[in-house]
Amino acid sequence: EAQVTQNPRYLITVTGKKLTVTCSQNMNHEYMSWYRQDPGLGLRQIYYSMNVEVTDKGDVPEGYKVSRKEKRNFPLILESPSPNQTSLYFCASSLGASGRADEQFFGPGTRLTVL
Amino acid sequence: AQKVTQAQTEISVVEKEDVTLDCVYETRDTTYYLFWYKQPPSGELVFLIRRNSFDEQNEISGRYSWNFQKSTSSFNFTITASQVVDSAVYFCALSGTDTGRRALTFGSGTRLQVQP
Repeated sequence: EAQVTQNPRYLITVTGKKLTVTCSQNMNHEYMSWYRQDPGLGLRQIYYSMNVEVTDKGDVPEGYKVSRKEKRNFPLILESPSPNQTSLYFCASSLGASGRADEQFFGPGTRLTVL
Repeated sequence: AQKVTQAQTEISVVEKEDVTLDCVYETRDTTYYLFWYKQPPSGELVFLIRRNSFDEQNEISGRYSWNFQKSTSSFNFTITASQVVDSAVYFCALSGTDTGRRALTFGSGTRLQVQP
């Protein structure tokens, strides 16, 4: 089954404790992206990757890191989480053909609470 | 800069009523794409439709229909004969021609509650 998976689905942590949210897709998509969803703000892009070893900032990258060492995986790293990073996080992927706005497939979401 | 406005924060209807969710967008791109996503209470995002800026034909899929009007920069979504299972948050989104970032600009969402 074609899908985007994220782990963990729920996480409660404390300020300053490094964490990683994993994202994996099995559709051989070139493009992957992270969004955060906050009430009244919709979803906002954090980081994106056009292919292996190619990543760049989205609209709200502060406090986050990403890496793309393999095509299928795109982990989101919070080196020192703070309470304002409490949010619902979505990973997304799409085919990535240039010039197309392909449908983005979203993962199930990770609800993160930073105390 | 791109912007998507969903002015209706929450709508409540009774089952079998028709309901229209409004979406107004702003972009300077001449080529762009518009999307609707559904987020049921379980939290996942479900893709509903994608339209490009050159295709203003309305689309119907079962009880769902979409009205794209470039003249008013609107891409409204109508559910006919609503059902309780339609209860969800609905997001309208816009993607411009920055094909690198390919970021979706989302509206703030409209929460639809369908009462039995």
